[in-house]
Amino acid sequence: DGGITQSPKYLFRKEGQNVTLSCEQNLNHDAMYWYRQDPGQGLRLIYYSQIVNDFQKGDIAEGYSVSREKKESFPLTVTSAQKNPTAFYLCASSGGYQNTIYFGEGSWLTVV
Amino acid sequence: QQQVKQSPQSLIVQKGGISIINCAYENTAFDYFPWYQQFPGKGPALLIAIRPDVSEKKEGRFTISFNKSAKQFSLHIMDSQPGDSATYFCAASIIQGAQKLVFGQGTRLTINP
Repeated sequence: DGGITQSPKYLFRKEGQNVTLSCEQNLNHDAMYWYRQDPGQGLRLIYYSQIVNDFQKGDIAEGYSVSREKKESFPLTVTSAQKNPTAFYLCASSGGYQNTIYFGEGSWLTVV
Repeated sequence: QQQVKQSPQSLIVQKGGISIINCAYENTAFDYFPWYQQFPGKGPALLIAIRPDVSEKKEGRFTISFNKSAKQFSLHIMDSQPGDSATYFCAASIIQGAQKLVFGQGTRLTINP
């Protein structure tokens, strides 16, 4: 099936730990994105990447890091520097007609 | 200038009625205005989108109305059904290159049977 796969769906992190969220797409899209969603809120852009080995900060990049070594993959690391990491994280990619953005199913991160 | 303001925050409509959600933007460089539908625990899915060269776009029961001079756009859901109960987000971006979508705050829509 074509689409965007995020894993894990649920993740618990202890304070002070780094965690990495996986995102893989088989849509052959060049651009990929990470958004954060807090309960009852809109989506906010963390990082985005237009091509392999290149990425740019979004609106709320502090405390996060990414890499783009392959076109299909765009993992997000939530570092211990992120003060309030508990949220729903959404990976996306864009391409095709009107450069449409497609989202994955999301990953829930909870700090315990 | 990057904000997209969405209203109302929540909306309750009777089955068969019309649901209307409104958004306003500030950045006149935006040229792509999508609406996303999100069910609990799922990622948003594109519902319908419009470019500023048209004032209205209709797909089935869903219609976007766009007013370029007022910098406003709205989603109309005709004959609303209980299955339409979800959170709806408007967004705006510049379509070329990496699309940095700016999202509204979302509207939680409930359709009563």
